[in-house]
Amino acid sequence: GAGVSQSPSNKVTEKGKDVELRCDPISGHTALYWYRQRLGQGLEFLIYFQGNSAPDKSGLPSDRFSAERTGESVSTLTIQRTQQEDSAVYLCASSLLSRNYGYTFGSGTRLTVV
Amino acid sequence: GDSVTQMEGPVTLSEEAFLTINCTYTATGYPSLFWYVQYPGEGLQLLLKATKADDKGSNKGFEATYRKETTSFHLEKGSVQVSDSAVYFCALSSYNNNDMRFGAGTRLTVKP
Repeated sequence: GAGVSQSPSNKVTEKGKDVELRCDPISGHTALYWYRQRLGQGLEFLIYFQGNSAPDKSGLPSDRFSAERTGESVSTLTIQRTQQEDSAVYLCASSLLSRNYGYTFGSGTRLTVV
Repeated sequence: GDSVTQMEGPVTLSEEAFLTINCTYTATGYPSLFWYVQYPGEGLQLLLKATKADDKGSNKGFEATYRKETTSFHLEKGSVQVSDSAVYFCALSSYNNNDMRFGAGTRLTVKP
């Protein structure tokens, strides 16, 4: 597509429920990233996918967080047993192989855990 | 590890004022440097970039020069507009890390 698409744009969930967030990157972008942005704060790296290589999961905050990506297509970020501290905007970005190109970000999913 | 430090906000300016947002970095090797902008309710957009020392990135009247001697990449604009009100993020990318490292962001408000 023309840009990075994320869905849903907003999600309100009850504490303890599981949620799934979706990211559709730009066609041809081999790298895909998930970041978390808490209110008024900077970006916190979560996970990185590059083609068919093993993902870099070093930023995932707990084992309640997981993500998948099939090849160079759609990615899903799953948060199990959501907690109030999971409330944030979850941003997805994609890029060409070279980091010098920078990232193209989606508009994010605003997650609110009540 | 690699990191970026940018000036804390918020920054409030009058229209047509001069803008500087300071950004310094710590990295081994030769990172690429970026400025991203986030308008209210939107995702981050790439504003400008520089990939080697002494390069100047520019876009929409904004400029930043990659200064290796001072490890800095300060963002400047000669005359800000109300429409420039946004949060600005400095970031670096290097082969030491898989992810891009972002500063905490600086909120700019421009008043008419």
